[in-house]
Amino acid sequence: QVQLVQSGAEVKKPGASVKVSCKASGYTFSTYGLTWVRQAPGQGLEWMGWITPYNGKTDYAQKFQGRVTMTTDTSTSTVYMELRSLTSDDTAVYYCARDPPGLYQFDHWGQGTLVTVSS
Amino acid sequence: QSVLTQSPSASGTPGQRVTISCSGNSFNIGRKTVTWYQQYPGTAPKLLIYSNNQRPSGVPDRFSGSKSGTSASLAISGLQSEDEADYYCAAWDDNLFGWVFGGGTKLTVL
Repeated sequence: QVQLVQSGAEVKKPGASVKVSCKASGYTFSTYGLTWVRQAPGQGLEWMGWITPYNGKTDYAQKFQGRVTMTTDTSTSTVYMELRSLTSDDTAVYYCARDPPGLYQFDHWGQGTLVTVSS
Repeated sequence: QSVLTQSPSASGTPGQRVTISCSGNSFNIGRKTVTWYQQYPGTAPKLLIYSNNQRPSGVPDRFSGSKSGTSASLAISGLQSEDEADYYCAAWDDNLFGWVFGGGTKLTVL
């Protein structure tokens, strides 16, 4: 079965960077995109960007361009999301989700990773 | 402020039919398909409806979606206590070049 397993919770200081991983299993890794969505405490969902493991192509939300980098390691079926210059507004649960090409949906989700930014 | 607009809350009694609406514009819902997600507190969202009105396998047929112009709706018939959750609509936005979500609707089963 399809599984996306994310790395554990992180606590960071303002100005630092965080790198969250998402390990995929149960399907052909290279044939599906992976998207990142975050959710601040008590708030809604916010799309951050997308990466296709096939060729590493990325597409970032305008809000995060210049501050986020998504990468992939096909040898371990893992994608990474690094967010830099953290502020308290970046405190949120970060989710990865599988993005089937051309289907306009996120059909499987990771369990989420809580990132807390606090001095 | 979310790009897609949803009412913050909705409620119904067991067995009732409830509708949750989602309003967008010509760059998102007006030209792209709508997806709906269900989220229980402390858990990841779950795909509920895709391509406006299609249900993934395993989603009960009590859930249905529709779209008209720049608005979309999620209907839940035969409301059950387990339907108490947050519901989010989403669509690709050709102006923002990204996915946009509604602010979410918290459904309470009375």
